[in-house]
Amino acid sequence: KNEVEQSPQNLTAQEGEFITINCSYSVGISALHWLQQHPGGGIVPLFMLSSGKKKHGRLIATINIQEKHSSLHITASHPRDSAVYICATGSARQLTFGSGTQLTVLP
Amino acid sequence: DSGVTQTPKHLITATGQRVTLRCSPRSGDLSVYWYQQSLDQGLQFLIQYYNGEERAKGNILERFSAQQFPDLHSELNLSSLELGDSALYFCASSGDAGTHYNEQFFGPGTRLTVL
Repeated sequence: KNEVEQSPQNLTAQEGEFITINCSYSVGISALHWLQQHPGGGIVPLFMLSSGKKKHGRLIATINIQEKHSSLHITASHPRDSAVYICATGSARQLTFGSGTQLTVLP
Repeated sequence: DSGVTQTPKHLITATGQRVTLRCSPRSGDLSVYWYQQSLDQGLQFLIQYYNGEERAKGNILERFSAQQFPDLHSELNLSSLELGDSALYFCASSGDAGTHYNEQFFGPGTRLTVL
């Protein structure tokens, strides 16, 4: 059974700080997804990756398949980045979700 | 706006009742996924339909059922409701292959409260 662990559970940062959220999983996967859940509940896909690194604006996602680990980085964080960030692993049958990281960026 | 719509937004009902949640996927998407998000369990995959056929099943209770119609909209039926069924229910859609390799786009969710 695939276990997905995220750390930290909660993170408070000052505006402008560089932020890292980590995700580890226990079995081989086909793809890893990073999602953002807004305070109102809506879920937005950020990245889907199976190797290497992807960048979109101030967000960077990396994955190390051998170590079964992925990181989501936010550069120059801003209060509007405050949200829950969720990683999910994809296999042939389903997505398995981490418990999420609650990020609060203070002005 | 993801292009995925869900109705209703909120639903309050009593234990033992039955409700139906509705989802319309993004235009052109053939796959619909249903997820439950509760405070103690986080996000969990329930079931997937692809072009009208059940494709994958997750942690879906026997009291719950779903279907996808010819116009590709999907319904999730929850019956004999219990307090523990109170949760946010999301549907998501994705493009072609109907596997979990594709990016999924989430609807706004239906918040179900069972009293």
